[in-house]
Amino acid sequence: GDSVTQMEGPVTLSEEAFLTINCTYTATGYPSLFWYVQYPGEGLQLLLKATKADDKGSNKGFEATYRKETTSFHLEKGSVQVSDSAVYFCALSDRDGGFKTIFGAGTRLFVKA
Amino acid sequence: EAQVTQNPRYLITVTGKKLTVTCSQNMNHEYMSWYRQDPGLGLRQIYYSMNVEVTDKGDVPEGYKVSRKEKRNFPLILESPSPNQTSLYFCASSSFNPDSNQPQHFGDGTRLSIL
Repeated sequence: GDSVTQMEGPVTLSEEAFLTINCTYTATGYPSLFWYVQYPGEGLQLLLKATKADDKGSNKGFEATYRKETTSFHLEKGSVQVSDSAVYFCALSDRDGGFKTIFGAGTRLFVKA
Repeated sequence: EAQVTQNPRYLITVTGKKLTVTCSQNMNHEYMSWYRQDPGLGLRQIYYSMNVEVTDKGDVPEGYKVSRKEKRNFPLILESPSPNQTSLYFCASSSFNPDSNQPQHFGDGTRLSIL
């Protein structure tokens, strides 16, 4: 079945450092890919999405490109801020899988001032 | 304001005492879902509903029930809670488009502790 694998955390960075959180997936169909962010005490919020190969999703300085050849959707940001400290979830949703959303285990990011 | 509202936010209870967690959305979404979040496991789907009176099991449905009598509401019922159901629960909703996968809107979560 479909699955999502993302790098284990926690990831600790200094402010203004470059961020990469790796995400790879397996899917039988042609899924849409998402990154969600969870701030402390809150639910998940959509950060960005991509619906087909080579699409780039972007929001709030974060970017991720849908790479079908490597089945990846890595999250990047050029300069992180303390306010980016949160848990990040990679996810996929596949029409062929009944529109079910599969989430990765989440990666906790700590950004130090 | 578009939102998914869960109640209660926190609950401590005892084994075997039936409880219900309510979920309501004001976006007229067709699709609603319940997840549990446990450390190292991410979010696992418990049940989902594609529309009124249509529900189906997710990955971890054992010990849970749901109903979808109205479009806006999707309560999660634990008939006889057990300690292994101690977890953080999220309700989510999204619009349904047969041609594309829509992102989900999440509630703020309900932390359940079963003693």
